[in-house]
Amino acid sequence: QLQLQESGPGLVKASETLSLTCTVSDDSLRTSSYYWGWIRQPPGKGLEWIGNVHSSGRNYYNPSLKSRVTISVDTSKNQFFLRLTSVAAADTSVYYCARHGDYDDFHLDHWGQGTLVTVSS
Amino acid sequence: SYEVTQPPSVSVSPGQTATITCSGDKLGDRYVCWYQQRPGQSPVLVIHHDRRRPSGIPERFSGSNSGNTATLTISGTQAMDEADYYCQAWDSTTVVFGGGTKLTVL
Repeated sequence: QLQLQESGPGLVKASETLSLTCTVSDDSLRTSSYYWGWIRQPPGKGLEWIGNVHSSGRNYYNPSLKSRVTISVDTSKNQFFLRLTSVAAADTSVYYCARHGDYDDFHLDHWGQGTLVTVSS
Repeated sequence: SYEVTQPPSVSVSPGQTATITCSGDKLGDRYVCWYQQRPGQSPVLVIHHDRRRPSGIPERFSGSNSGNTATLTISGTQAMDEADYYCQAWDSTTVVFGGGTKLTVL
């Protein structure tokens, strides 16, 4: 069963850069042709898609975050990454990484457990 | 940008049928998927491609999509189905989530 695990600092200062890593449990990043995504959820609120990356390095981003987001991949390490610059309190969320299972509807069929990132002033 | 809308809450009695809607302009022209999220847990995919159930999802979960509305139907709702449900669509370059519907089984 495919597993994804987020890791990174749980506390980031306002105006700084949030950096998270998602580690995939098998060689899917290198051997398959999926997109891999980041999603966040502010405490008590709904889901917000941040963007994704293909094993080839191609990206799609949420237009509302595009100017601050970079998602990259390292297939040799079975990892992909999120970088969000100039963070503010509104970026405090649980951040999930997940796999997009298909190109038709981009459903997310495998999710990590999520990691809470708090932006402090 | 494309948007999809869900009712904030839906209530259902145990054993009855719960219906959760997701609305968007010409939504029937796109595929829709649905997630269940229990408190403190990660979302779980329950329906993709409008009506397909992933392995392990009970048959009581079904989906449809036509016109401007997609629908998640839970037949014979159980207490364990109480959760938040999110619809999701793909806008050719962007994933769009609905705001979520809290399903209460009472």
